[in-house]
Amino acid sequence: RKEVEQDPGPFNVPEGATVAFNCTYSNSASQSFFWYRQDCRKEPKLLMSVYSSGNEDGRFTAQLNRASQYISLLIRDSKLSDSATYLCVVKRGRRALTFGSGTRLQVQP
Amino acid sequence: GAGVSQSPSNKVTEKGKDVELRCDPISGHTALYWYRQSLGQGLEFLIYFQGNSAPDKSGLPSDRFSAERTGGSVSTLTIQRTQQEDSAVYLCASSLDGGQGAFFGQGTRLTVV
Repeated sequence: RKEVEQDPGPFNVPEGATVAFNCTYSNSASQSFFWYRQDCRKEPKLLMSVYSSGNEDGRFTAQLNRASQYISLLIRDSKLSDSATYLCVVKRGRRALTFGSGTRLQVQP
Repeated sequence: GAGVSQSPSNKVTEKGKDVELRCDPISGHTALYWYRQSLGQGLEFLIYFQGNSAPDKSGLPSDRFSAERTGGSVSTLTIQRTQQEDSAVYLCASSLDGGQGAFFGQGTRLTVV
């Protein structure tokens, strides 16, 4: 079983829609959680950290459910520029950041 | 610049040659990561440096791969006797400490012909 699992998508949504991605992680000792976005042929960019209390950054809201070991990302009022692959990332102890395979989002006009 | 810098941005090499890829992390960042990504694939972890601790080399695919980090700053990834399957984008990232999200460089696109 992979340490971080994501639905690969693609999620095809119209502009203005609300879309949510989930990610599950296998190790309950994971301590830090992040969402990254990656555009085609570009490097991943840190979107936001994910905190137990949930956190929001503009149109983006991240939630962490430690009991069920999943992380979510909600995007409100989708823009064409949100089209990208969204990567779920966890960190445990002294180990490196572990990346999920990503969920592809395509926002359509 | 303030970001992670990688060089070269592109490298074409002949099969069997050795290559060195360089990463300049953000100043003051104690954690440094190397990943690689083949076209259309996810990120594959290679090696992780955290401060003065022994590096986590568990992701290195073979003994042809090695990396060092000198003075807690610049890192070099070396691939000896390159093979065609080594062709990928090699990405370096750094973070302030091991518990924070990391920032990536633009990568080195390696093509082995």
